[in-house]
Amino acid sequence: QKEVEQDPGPLSVPEGAIVSLNCTYSNSAFQYFMWYRQYSRKGPELLMYTYSSGNKEDGRFTAQVDKSSKYISLFIRDSQPSDSATYLCAMSVRGGGSNYKLTFGKGTLLTVNP
Amino acid sequence: DSGVTQTPKHLITATGQRVTLRCSPRSGDLSVYWYQQSLDQGLQFLIQYYNGEERAKGNILERFSAQQFPDLHSELNLSSLELGDSALYFCASSVHSGGASEQFFGPGTRLTVL
Repeated sequence: QKEVEQDPGPLSVPEGAIVSLNCTYSNSAFQYFMWYRQYSRKGPELLMYTYSSGNKEDGRFTAQVDKSSKYISLFIRDSQPSDSATYLCAMSVRGGGSNYKLTFGKGTLLTVNP
Repeated sequence: DSGVTQTPKHLITATGQRVTLRCSPRSGDLSVYWYQQSLDQGLQFLIQYYNGEERAKGNILERFSAQQFPDLHSELNLSSLELGDSALYFCASSVHSGGASEQFFGPGTRLTVL
């Protein structure tokens, strides 16, 4: 079983739709949970990160973490064509010393149609 | 633009060869991370350096090595290249080496091994 599972999609929605992206994980040692957005031919950029279970909101984006179920979600409200990208979940465990390694999901390709 | 630069953008080489990928972190960032992204494996953490010292290792092959120089730029050396090494290689940087320190990704180097 992979440490982080993410449905690769593709996911296609109309403009204005609410998008739900999800990841499950198996390693209970994960402490930080992040969502990255990656446009075609670009590097990933950090959208959201959370530490504890619960919700975190930033504009049209809401990140949700349920540690008991080992499940995280990213919701995008009022989706726009500019949101079309690959969304990667990432999680970190404590490595040696004070270092944190990121383990990524494979990413979900999202297309928002005008 | 994340402020992280990577050269070259594209690299085409033959099996058995050796290449060097270069990364310059954002101004003020002390940590550099290297990742490999392929279609089947997703984004995989390779290695991290902090202020010139190796801090964490991920799924890095013995044929691969890296270093961080006094001016904080980093190089990833890939030797005895195989077809399966064809991938996107990303460098990321962060100010610190712990916690949910935001990692800023460069645009990547696309390596093609023929």
